[in-house]
Amino acid sequence: GAGVSQTPSNKVTEKGKYVELRCDPISGHTALYWYRQSLGQGPEFLIYFQGTGAADDSGLPNDRFFAVRPEGSVSTLKIQRTERGDSAVYLCASAPSSGGANEQFFGPGTRLTVL
Amino acid sequence: EDKVVQSPLSLVVHEGDTVTLNCSYEVTNFRSLLWYKQEKKAPTFLFMLTSSGIEKKSGRLSSILDKKELSSILNITATQTGDSAIYLCAVEENSGYALNFGKGTSLLVTP
Repeated sequence: GAGVSQTPSNKVTEKGKYVELRCDPISGHTALYWYRQSLGQGPEFLIYFQGTGAADDSGLPNDRFFAVRPEGSVSTLKIQRTERGDSAVYLCASAPSSGGANEQFFGPGTRLTVL
Repeated sequence: EDKVVQSPLSLVVHEGDTVTLNCSYEVTNFRSLLWYKQEKKAPTFLFMLTSSGIEKKSGRLSSILDKKELSSILNITATQTGDSAIYLCAVEENSGYALNFGKGTSLLVTP
């Protein structure tokens, strides 16, 4: 497909478990962003990749959260020892490059529920 | 402190009405302001505004930026039930990479 895809669309897990959320950006987009959206809130920035490197991870809430993009395309957001407060929709977005007022294209998100 | 504030937070109108959604921001080194429509999960892009006073238009939707007032409005004329969604405003700074989103305006258009 031409758009950003994310898997799984829904994930239910138990408190304390480890989860991985995957993002496939639009082909050729070098910039990739992860956001988290809680109910009634706008998306909140987590981490930004330019190519393979995390250029800005200032939005990651704590060290239980980690993300990788080893080949500069697909990215995985990893959450260790999940907590109920991690429940949210995790959105991924990609853009042709960083800066220059580029539009970010969003995926459909993964709804994470931690019981 | 929120950098981007949207108002109203929610709105109910009848089909055919015209609505105006507001977005104000407080950031240093402003680069651009973007409007997105979110119906289920994925925000879909509507407009990107970088220059003050230049209206952007797409069908029944239009938007304009006022850099002096640090604000933007999104207008929807002749609303339809399909316009029901959350409308998100986001601001990008020159010094960063992320979009700073407001909480959104939830619009419901009733038949």
